[in-house]
Formats: sequence, C-alpha cells, structure tokens
Amino acid sequence: ETGVTQTPRHLVMGMTNKKSLKCEQHLGHNAMYWYKQSAKKPLELMFVYSLEERVENNSVPSRFSPECPNSSHLFLHLHTLQPEDSALYLCASSQDWQGLGEKLFFGSGTQLSVL
Amino acid sequence: GIQVEQSPPDLILQEGANSTLRCNFSDSVNNLQWFHQNPWGQLINLFYIPSGTKQNGRLSATTVATERYSLLYISSSQTTDSGVYFCAAAGGGATNKLIFGTGTLLAVQP
Repeated sequence: ETGVTQTPRHLVMGMTNKKSLKCEQHLGHNAMYWYKQSAKKPLELMFVYSLEERVENNSVPSRFSPECPNSSHLFLHLHTLQPEDSALYLCASSQDWQGLGEKLFFGSGTQLSVL
Repeated sequence: GIQVEQSPPDLILQEGANSTLRCNFSDSVNNLQWFHQNPWGQLINLFYIPSGTKQNGRLSATTVATERYSLLYISSSQTTDSGVYFCAAAGGGATNKLIFGTGTLLAVQP
C-alpha cells in the first residue's frame, strides 16, 4: 500500500464509450499526476495538477480529459478512445509539483483495453 | 531535454545472486529516482538519489552526478525482486519533469 489508490484495476471499453478513471491519495500531497505506460515504451507524463490547478498538459489528445476537484482526488475522463490508447494508466502524487527533491508515489494503475 | 538510458534491458538471475543495474543520463540532474514495478503493475519508489550512496536492506544505489550515471545494486536476490526497474531523472530545466528510462526487466529464478 503506497497511499495512492486507483480504480478500477481493469477496464475494457468500446471506442464509443465514456468512462472515468479515479485516483485518490491519502498522503497529504499537493501534486497529482497521470502517466501512460505502453508496452516497450517509457512512462509518458500526461497531466500534472498542483494545488488543484493544471500545470502540465503534454500534448494529450482531447479525448482524455482530466479533473482535479481537490488535492486528494484526480480523475481521467475518457471518451471516443482508439485501440492505440490501450495501456496501463498510472496515477502518482508528490508533496509538491515535481522538481527538486520531489519523490513520486504511484498507484497500482488501471489496465485499459479499448476494443 | 534530458535523456535516460538503462542497461541491461533484460536480466535473469538465480536466487541468491547479486546484480548491478545501470542508468545513464545525458545532462546534469537535480532529481534522480529508482522505482521497482512488480508483475502486477505497482510502481514502488526505491530511492531518491541525485548524488551519493544510499542503502535500504539488500538494495543500495549510487549516483555519480559528475559522470552522469547511477547504479542500483541488488544483493542476495529473491524471487520477489522480479519485475521492472526504472530510473527517472530531472535536469532542472524550465519544466523540471522526471524523464523515465525504458527499464530493466529482472527475472529471479528459484
């Protein structure tokens, strides 16, 4: 248990579906992140929220829509995804916005399959 | 931006053996971390080590910042050490984002 909880663990969706991934951190951190992990590729940073404001958006397609209602919760809303979006989606948190001295703590991820 | 390379890409060990994993980075860093991803996908932060040496049980890490590499040592390996080991570094630029390497896949056989 790392203090970062993600649900669901697995998700299968069609290209026309709308679904949401949820992340909750119990560490009192101020920054939260979404990463995408595809097979044989390094982890890719998608979004960063610091104190509930988005501070990083790494040219992610608009079919991925993040939401951070408070510093403990982070969502990733998914709609009209493509099969190439199938991947492990990881949530992470750190005390403050990533940088000098910041340690990242990850959730267990959501394994997403788009049919 | 900074580039991170890890070696070897794959490693098979017998239980009880020792191993060294390497992480090279292309620029000076102010943040370097090692992670272990278990077979179920969970990423665990092992070390925050932008310079110097740290030890935690059977694991230790050394970063030589002036020569732009970091090493992760695993001693007396156990089957539970299996998984992927990632190095991630940030170079202190405008965005200061952690860049991940492609990982070392370790399999420890009984």
